[in-house]
Amino acid sequence: DGGITQSPKYLFRKEGQNVTLSCEQNLNHDAMYWYRQDPGQGLRLIYYSQIVNDFQKGDIAEGYSVSREKKESFPLTVTSAQKNPTAFYLCASSIGSRLGYTFGSGTRLTVV
Amino acid sequence: GNSVTQMEGPVTLSEEAFLTINCTYTATGYPSLFWYVQYPGEGLQLLLKATKADDKGSNKGFEATYRKETTSFHLEKGSVQVSDSAVYFCAPPWGSSASKIIFGSGTRLSIRP
Repeated sequence: DGGITQSPKYLFRKEGQNVTLSCEQNLNHDAMYWYRQDPGQGLRLIYYSQIVNDFQKGDIAEGYSVSREKKESFPLTVTSAQKNPTAFYLCASSIGSRLGYTFGSGTRLTVV
Repeated sequence: GNSVTQMEGPVTLSEEAFLTINCTYTATGYPSLFWYVQYPGEGLQLLLKATKADDKGSNKGFEATYRKETTSFHLEKGSVQVSDSAVYFCAPPWGSSASKIIFGSGTRLSIRP
């Protein structure tokens, strides 16, 4: 079955470390997105990519970086510059504006 | 730009009660409309959608009708179950020119046995 796979499900980061969250889709979707969700809050857009080798900043891109070298993959790196990285991170993809998003199951990142 | 106003939560109901979660939108053109659901510890799932005026999206007993005259897309269910406890997101209209969706904080629904 097609879908989006996020890994790992839980991730612990030490202060000052960079960590990379994986997002892979086999839906042949062109567009991919990263959102951050804090407890009791909505989703905030970090980065999005509409095509391979191109991506745009969302509303809270500072302290994060992405790459889109393959259509299937859109990894997110949380850098040491992100001062409050503890959150639930969601990856999504889409093939068109009238079909909505498909979401992954999320990665919960905790700074220890 | 396109946006929604969604009923704030939390909403607590007894099992078998009738549910309405209000959602109104502003948009240009004829966008598709969506409701998503997030169960605890999981990502969002597409619950239902409608692609044109007067369309009714439905899934798992939930329904929402695309009302262009009132710019609304209210979510309803006739008899809720404990398993419906989740956060529900009305997604802003996503027209042909839009490339991203900005989500609000959703409505948290809790169902008492």
